[in-house]
Amino acid sequence: GQSLEQPSEVTAVEGAIVQINCTYQTSGFYGLSWYQQHDGGAPTFLSYNALDGLEETGRFSSFLSRSDSYGYLLLQELQMKDSASYFCSAAFGGATNKLIFGTGTLLAVQP
Amino acid sequence: GAVVSQHPSWVICKSGTSVKIECRSLDFQATTMFWYRQFPKQSLMLMATSNEGSKATYEQGVEKDKFLINHASLTLSTLTVTSAHPEDSSFYICSANQGGHSNEQFFGPGTRLTVL
Repeated sequence: GQSLEQPSEVTAVEGAIVQINCTYQTSGFYGLSWYQQHDGGAPTFLSYNALDGLEETGRFSSFLSRSDSYGYLLLQELQMKDSASYFCSAAFGGATNKLIFGTGTLLAVQP
Repeated sequence: GAVVSQHPSWVICKSGTSVKIECRSLDFQATTMFWYRQFPKQSLMLMATSNEGSKATYEQGVEKDKFLINHASLTLSTLTVTSAHPEDSSFYICSANQGGHSNEQFFGPGTRLTVL
């Protein structure tokens, strides 16, 4: 089956850098996406890696290595508002275009 | 960005009744929409892919007769939870993709269902 594993919780302080890892056992997907979800809210898109390597979008960067079945989300200059759940997801493009979500990581940013 | 709405935002119903949840793409057309279920402190689980004008595609383990999906127009998909039971209590979220080369999915605000 398809599975994407993430650490359940990560804690960091304001201004720091944090990396959230995602290891997967899935195949046939087009790329790896990352979403942020605040408690009780809708997930919002952060980043997408179609190819191996690093994608940078402001304070957020995402990395993918298909040979290692591994990706990560890097958050820099952490702010209190970054406290949320973060999900990696395998994006199956083409006819289905569906997402399969990882287990999720709850990030707590402390002052 | 594209906007997806859901209605209702929350619903409480008695066991055995059916509940309909609507998902609308407000400023774009969506031939495909997706329905997820999320239990507290857990990830989003894809339930089904809703296809405009055709039958929905259900993920393994999801009962299609229990969760009826209708995608009658390019801007509306509905999920009906039939004969709801307390174990169906959950957060139901829909999403849509604008199509083309964009991979980004836009999520609705979710519907919290509580079955008594």
